[in-house]
Amino acid sequence: QSVLTQPPSVSGAPGQRVTISCTGSSSNIGAAYDVHWYQQLPETAPKLLIYGNNNRPSGVPDRFSGSKSGTSASLAITGLQADDEADYYCQSYDSSLSGPVFGGGTKVTVL
Amino acid sequence: QVQLVQSGAEMKKPGASVKVSCKASGYTFRNYYIHWVRQAPGQGPEWMGIINPIGDSTKFAQQFQGRVTMTSDTSTNTVYMELSSLRSEDTAVYYCARNGIAEAPRGWFDPWGQGTLVTVSS
Repeated sequence: QSVLTQPPSVSGAPGQRVTISCTGSSSNIGAAYDVHWYQQLPETAPKLLIYGNNNRPSGVPDRFSGSKSGTSASLAITGLQADDEADYYCQSYDSSLSGPVFGGGTKVTVL
Repeated sequence: QVQLVQSGAEMKKPGASVKVSCKASGYTFRNYYIHWVRQAPGQGPEWMGIINPIGDSTKFAQQFQGRVTMTSDTSTNTVYMELSSLRSEDTAVYYCARNGIAEAPRGWFDPWGQGTLVTVSS
């Protein structure tokens, strides 16, 4: 049972926009801790996609964007492409657990 | 480029210990904390703990306290994670990851090592 809740899967056709939600609580996202997002391709390590709620590391396309409001955050992917098929994880910090916490992951499927 | 390279896959029996290494390169080793994260098959990542490469100060997730040890060797830019009293539920890929912010223990994880598969089976 992950501390942050994500939908197990989302799907979309090439070119479409999909969003992934990440729901937390008053001890993590709601406590103003930043949310970060990772992309994990099959059989590889997670890769940083968004840091500090809405910042993209160099090399990450601007098709990926993040937002945060209240106790939730979202990752949006626009212009969906075949190589966006991957698992996506959100991460924040939890004051009750005194450590980083992750979501259970969302599998993105390109139809 | 910044890189973390981990040791190879391990197969252990229940009750044994495993020690995984993570060698850093491409940046000033002493300036960044290193996290350890594990991912069981089909599950999301799970944070295990963090080490300050200078002085070996550590902090562990509650569920691993008493079973995990993290150390660093500044002469080889390598950190180690040792997990003892292994059980089948510890079968997972273990990752090291650099903290995203220098000289701070809290932030994002970037980059990650390639992962080390630890299989616990009798």
